[in-house]
Order: sequence, then structure tokens, then C-alpha cells
Amino acid sequence: QSVLTQPPSMSAAPGQKVTISCSGSSSNIGNNYVSWYQQLPGTAPKLLIYDNNKRPSGIPDRFSGSKSGTSATLGITGLQTGDEADYYCGTWDSGLSAGGVFGGGTKLTVL
Amino acid sequence: QVQLQESGPGLVKPSQTLSLTCTVSGGSSSSGNYYCSWIRQRPGKGLEWIGYISHSGGTYYNPSLKSRLTISVDTSKNQFSLRLSSVTAADTAVYYCARLYSKAGGWFYFDFWGQGTLVTVSS
Repeated sequence: QSVLTQPPSMSAAPGQKVTISCSGSSSNIGNNYVSWYQQLPGTAPKLLIYDNNKRPSGIPDRFSGSKSGTSATLGITGLQTGDEADYYCGTWDSGLSAGGVFGGGTKLTVL
Repeated sequence: QVQLQESGPGLVKPSQTLSLTCTVSGGSSSSGNYYCSWIRQRPGKGLEWIGYISHSGGTYYNPSLKSRLTISVDTSKNQFSLRLSSVTAADTAVYYCARLYSKAGGWFYFDFWGQGTLVTVSS
């Protein structure tokens, strides 16, 4: 059971837009910055979004992030078949068992 | 560009100690806000943060692993290491090393990752 909650799977057609949610609490998302990672099949995760909504160099602006209260959202527009991957949100949890936490991951299928 | 590479045995017997090393090259991680971190991913499962170490040797561990975990750093070799004792089959996973950016006020993200190494715990 992950500390952050994500939908296990989502699907959309090429060219469409998808939003992936990440729900937490005041001890994690509510008071800390959120990051998002893309894990293509058989590869290591890659940083997509940091500080809630910033993109590292080289990440296209089709990817966006936002945060409101204790939830965060990853948006992907103009879906491509190459976007088919697992997506994870992550943050710091300042609660009793403080530490880094991730969502359970969302498997995105581009039909 | 920072590059990280994990190395170590791919097979460990139950009750023994899992040991991995991460070699870091390229870029600059001398800022006090950068740390060396370990994350693992059990087969077919999500990501689990293991812990991190600063360049000065300060550590922070996942509370669920703390009693079995040691992370150390050798700055002269640009390496940091993971030791997990008393392993069981539940510790079978791909282990990743990653550079962590963390700062008081809630900043926490992994900007560069190694390719990962599969460690299987089996007799």
C-alpha cells in the first residue's frame, strides 16, 4: 500500500490529453514539493517534473505538473505511442515515519 | 551530465548481507543540497525509497529498513554503497542509485538515476 495514491492504469488515443492524479495528505503533498517520473518498459525512471510544475532541460512542454492542497496532477498533451510507460509521483513525507514516498504508479497505455 | 552506475552481486543467499556500490561521474554534486540515494523496485511493483547519504556522511534511512541498512560514501572514489543485512526473498528487487536534490522547505526529487541492478535473494 503506497503512501501516495495513483490510478493503477489509464489509456488514451494518440494526440489526446491525459491527466494522472496523485493523492496524499498534509504530511506529504500538502507541505512538500511533488516530482513526477516516467519509467519506460525495462528502463530506469526519468525525472519529468520537479517542484510541482518545473520541467528539467530536455523534457517537452507537452508534460506539465500542478498541485492543489494534498493532490497533484501530471498532464500530458498530444499523446504519442512513445509516452506509453509507468508514471510515478514522489515527495517527502514529514510525518511520524518521515522519508521519501512514491505513488504506486500509473500504467499509461496509448491505444 | 551526471552518470551513475550500480555494481554488485546479482544473487544473495537468504540471511546474508546485500552489498551494492554506485559510482558517480560527470557533473557537479558538491552543493550541500545534493545527496546520494538508493531506491528499489520489487518485481512488478512500484518504487520504494531506501535512504540517502550526504557527501559529509550524514544519512537518512527509510524507517522500515533502518535496522538492517547501512549507506556509506567514499568521496575519493566518487562512490557510495548500500549494505542491507539479513535479507529475505522480499528484498529481491531492482536496486537503483540516484542523485537526490533535497532542501529544507520540502524540496525533494531525484534528477539522475543509474540503470539499476537486479538482486535476487535465493538459496
